[in-house]
Amino acid sequence: KNQVEQSPQSLIILEGKNCTLQCNYTVSPFSNLRWYKQDTGRGPVSLTIMTFSENTKSNGRYTATLDADTKQSSLHITASQLSDSASYICVVSFLSGTYKYIFGTGTRLKVLA
Amino acid sequence: KAGVTQTPRYLIKTRGQQVTLSCSPISGHRSVSWYQQTPGQGLQFLFEYFSETQRNKGNFPGRFSGRQFSNSRSEMNVSTLELGDSALYLCASSPQSYEQYFGPGTRLTVT
Repeated sequence: KNQVEQSPQSLIILEGKNCTLQCNYTVSPFSNLRWYKQDTGRGPVSLTIMTFSENTKSNGRYTATLDADTKQSSLHITASQLSDSASYICVVSFLSGTYKYIFGTGTRLKVLA
Repeated sequence: KAGVTQTPRYLIKTRGQQVTLSCSPISGHRSVSWYQQTPGQGLQFLFEYFSETQRNKGNFPGRFSGRQFSNSRSEMNVSTLELGDSALYLCASSPQSYEQYFGPGTRLTVT
């Protein structure tokens, strides 16, 4: 069964600290993995996207890694800011006739001053 | 290029009523997908339209329907609203690749 699991469910950190969010998937055949940031009540915004051959991708203070062998990805946030408070969603897509998407349930991050 | 737009942004309806939500994709995108997002369930896929045809469908009851017009704009309709239909409804457009761009969503509250 195609599944995407994220951990932790929620996380509270102090401003300026680093954190790492995890995403494990059992999706086949794998096409790509994307991390989204979603502010409360708004649509998700893409942070990074990685295909099978990429094992790291950065977007400012956000760095995503992908291990296609173990089917794990992580999103590392460096020097967190209050504006990083949001939900982070991992999405894995696969091609089955058309592109299909399996969404994780997200990690809710709260950054405190 | 303008992003995905959804209207209305907020909506309050009564149980038993019906509602229509609208989504305008990014210019040139022909695929529009709809999702329901609730706090406990995360993002749930409703359906996808491409060139006015429903291409994929999720596991939602027949009360949820949609359509796409020749200009790629899409509408989603929910009939006989239930309290459990309260959610954020998101639309995403795609240029026929694995890229997906989400709109801001429509917050539907059913009382």
